[in-house]
Amino acid sequence: SSELTQDPAVSVALGQTVRITCQGDSLRSYYASWYQQKPGQAPVLVIYSKNNRPSGIPDRFSGSSSGNTASLTITGAQAEDEADYYCSSRDSSGYHLRVFGTGTKVTVL
Amino acid sequence: QLVESGGDLVQPGGSLRLSCAVSGFTVSSFHMTWVRQAPGRGLEWVSTIYSDGGGTYYADSVRGRVTISRDSSRNTLYLQMNSLRAEDTAVFYCARYLPVADAFDIWGQGTMVTVSS
Repeated sequence: SSELTQDPAVSVALGQTVRITCQGDSLRSYYASWYQQKPGQAPVLVIYSKNNRPSGIPDRFSGSSSGNTASLTITGAQAEDEADYYCSSRDSSGYHLRVFGTGTKVTVL
Repeated sequence: QLVESGGDLVQPGGSLRLSCAVSGFTVSSFHMTWVRQAPGRGLEWVSTIYSDGGGTYYADSVRGRVTISRDSSRNTLYLQMNSLRAEDTAVFYCARYLPVADAFDIWGQGTMVTVSS
């Protein structure tokens, strides 16, 4: 199975911008989706198909992709954005298989 | 809405069936997935069942030990787990997969499976 690699942790000052990256071979062929998970809660979809937001997700969340790297950007981070973030994509070893990234802990200072 | 149940403490080598009760849509009309998260660890895709024809797919870590299925009459998704190992200890989430978004758009709250003697 393929892997998606994320930085373990990043921090951002309140109101500033932070970018979270996700690297993997499968991203050369498939878009990433992004999930926010707060402690003790289920994941929540925040970005899909590279840069689309589900209803209810603030527009400070955006996505992009280039080569083997997908990125999630939070522009004007808020205290409630402190959470773990996971990317996900199809597995390059099988179209119907899925893989999640290793996760990034975002701390808002 | 998705509501998981069935998580429990089970001995190594034992079996368990997880359920995911679906409301607000028909389980057989959507692709459905199980994702797990070991304590303090990241998310791991486990299995997906497709709506059209019901094709099933499994992660290497569980293939041969796990079976995903659904019951349209009960509008419920299942995960039958056999030959459980300590490394299967995790919170198991069910989620709906949307092909048009290529993403999991609705998640349940999870059910805890602990494999220990």
